[in-house]
Amino acid sequence: GAVVSQHPSWVICKSGTSVKIECRSLDFQATTMFWYRQFPKQSLMLMATSNEGSKATYEQGVEKDKFLINHASLTLSTLTVTSAHPEDSSFYICSARDWGQGNNQPQHFGDGTRLSIL
Amino acid sequence: AQSVSQHNHHVILSEAASLELGCNYSYGGTVNLFWYVQYPGQHLQLLLKYFSGDPLVKGIKGFEAEFIKSKFSFNLRKPSVQWSDTAEYFCAGSRTAGNKLTFGGGTRVLVKP
Repeated sequence: GAVVSQHPSWVICKSGTSVKIECRSLDFQATTMFWYRQFPKQSLMLMATSNEGSKATYEQGVEKDKFLINHASLTLSTLTVTSAHPEDSSFYICSARDWGQGNNQPQHFGDGTRLSIL
Repeated sequence: AQSVSQHNHHVILSEAASLELGCNYSYGGTVNLFWYVQYPGQHLQLLLKYFSGDPLVKGIKGFEAEFIKSKFSFNLRKPSVQWSDTAEYFCAGSRTAGNKLTFGGGTRVLVKP
């Protein structure tokens, strides 16, 4: 089945640091990937839609200068949390869909990245 | 705006009991609906999906869901749960199959052995 890999799985860093999270589709190409954020005991909230070769589409209330998204290839999207602060601590999850399999395909999710800002 | 809501935040039941988790959506027009499961320490996995056709959808691990358009509902059911069904369950919807998902708040299910 389709596999989505995220790296790193857990990162702890100091306030003010920028952190990059990678999302890879391992055995399929993904022109579109999605980035979600999940706070403890809460549901997933879509942050942005990452489009290969073009700018990401951000959801209302998500700062695009704070959460930089780059989708440089058909198998890789990156989310960079710039100048991270403790309130950015959360669980970040990416997903991707195998567009090569036709229209009726669901999204496949990565394992998530737990970000802790001290 | 599209939204998905789940009625129960926590459900506790014993093995062999029947499970039904409620999910309601508010989408105008075409909607695609999903149930995902997140086992402790694992990533989200797809249980089942509804795009069109037969409103009774059968998924993996003995789960099924029924799309009732008149009630804007997509409830998840399993006739007899096992301890291994302990997990968090998320209902989600999108306008098209691969489009961005809107998730419900999730339901934590604890199955007592």
